[in-house]
Amino acid sequence: SYVLTQPPSVSVAPGQTARITCGGDNIGSKSVHWYQQKPGQAPVLVVYDDSDRPSGIPERFSGSNSGNTATLTISRVEAGDEADYYCQVWDSNSDQVFGGGTKLTVL
Amino acid sequence: QITLKESGPTLVKPTQTLTLTCTFSGFSLSTSGVGVGWIRQPPGKALEWLAVIYWNGDERYSPSLKSRLTITTDTSETQVVLTMTKMDPVDTATYFCAHSYDNSGYYLTASWGYWGQGTLVTVSS
Repeated sequence: SYVLTQPPSVSVAPGQTARITCGGDNIGSKSVHWYQQKPGQAPVLVVYDDSDRPSGIPERFSGSNSGNTATLTISRVEAGDEADYYCQVWDSNSDQVFGGGTKLTVL
Repeated sequence: QITLKESGPTLVKPTQTLTLTCTFSGFSLSTSGVGVGWIRQPPGKALEWLAVIYWNGDERYSPSLKSRLTITTDTSETQVVLTMTKMDPVDTATYFCAHSYDNSGYYLTASWGYWGQGTLVTVSS
């Protein structure tokens, strides 16, 4: 089965840049989607197809994908960005796969 | 405006069958590229994809749960139903339904752009 590996936690000070990684075998060949989930809420799509943003998502959210690592980058981090973030791909053997999630803490 | 809402029992007993309904509006499951799926999240844990049904009738299931899951649409095509057999306490989770859409032909790789609020299902005797 296809596995996506995320760091359990990332901490960043307000105004700084947060980078959340998602590792997978040759993930660069797949389309990666990223979701933000705040406590008690449903996930929200923040980046799709590696680097596209849905309408309403700030430009501070960006994504990249190459080799074995996809990265969600949040620039000028705000307190309101504190949440869990999940990456997700489709794999021909495993179908839909989510990463284990990363808790972003804004210091 | 696309909306989805999950409904079903909040408590089921071990070995019972769970039936959840996703009622949606703002789109048609007959539209090319559209899918409605189910994703669950045990308390304090990660998201886990369960199943999806697409506009073309393609049904897909999590390989690890395939034998226990069935996804269907109702005749009005405004609801998607998920059944999960042989419920166990480890199946206690919030169950979300979600909408995907792709117009490039690669519908399997589409993201989940809209989500329901989720419904917590507890499995306990």
